[in-house]
Amino acid sequence: DTGVSQDPRHKITKRGQNVTFRCDPISEHNRLYWYRQTLGQGPEFLTYFQNEAQLEKSRLLSDRFSAERPKGSFSTLEIQRTEQGDSAMYLCASSLAGGNEQFFGPGTRLTVL
Amino acid sequence: GENVEQHPSTLSVQEGDSAVIKCTYSDSASNYFPWYKQELGKRPQLIIDIRSNVGEKKDQRIAVTLNKTAKHFSLHITETQPEDSAVYFCAGRMDSSYKLIFGSGTRLLVRP
Repeated sequence: DTGVSQDPRHKITKRGQNVTFRCDPISEHNRLYWYRQTLGQGPEFLTYFQNEAQLEKSRLLSDRFSAERPKGSFSTLEIQRTEQGDSAMYLCASSLAGGNEQFFGPGTRLTVL
Repeated sequence: GENVEQHPSTLSVQEGDSAVIKCTYSDSASNYFPWYKQELGKRPQLIIDIRSNVGEKKDQRIAVTLNKTAKHFSLHITETQPEDSAVYFCAGRMDSSYKLIFGSGTRLLVRP
C-alpha cells in the first residue's frame, strides 16, 4: 500500500484517559501534517513536521496534545486526559518538500465517553 | 490569521447541470488554493488546485477560477453526474506556512 495509513481507525475511550494515534506517511514524503475534523466541518490544522522537526503548531492545540516524528518517518499524536470535546476524526496527511499536494490518510475516529 | 469562507453549505442540482461553489479568503499573502472532494466515510482527495499566478485552470469537467483582487476563488463542475455527489472543501495556503486552512464544506447532491 503506497498511501498514507493511520492506526487505529477507531478509538473509543473514557474521559480522562490518554490515547495515542499513529500515522505512516507515503515513503519519501518528508512533510507530515495532522488535522482534526468534526462533523460538518472542514479539517482544522493541528501541527506539521518537516522530517523530524515540528515546524508549526496551532494555537488551538492545548498542552494536552503532543506530536512526535522521531526518525522523520512515522508520527504519533498523543492526547492526554481526554475530554468529550476531543471527539473528532484525526486526519494525517503527507507531502513532498517542494510539492503542493497533501495526501490524506483514512483518519482515526476518536470517541470520548 | 487566514480565514476561508465557503458557500453554499448545500447544493442540489439535476444530473447534467453545472454546479458552482465559491470561497473567499482573508489573507492576501495566500497563494495556493486546492479543492478537495470527500465522499462519505472516505479521506479527502485533491481534485484540482490553482496557484495565485494563474487566473483559471481546467481539468475535463472541473475548473477553478481565481480573482486575487477580490480574494475569491470558485469551483465549477459541468455536466454533473451522480458520482459527483460528495462534500467539497476549498482551502488556502500561504508560502510562509505549509498548513492548509479549509472552508467549512459544500455538500453537493446530484439528482439522477
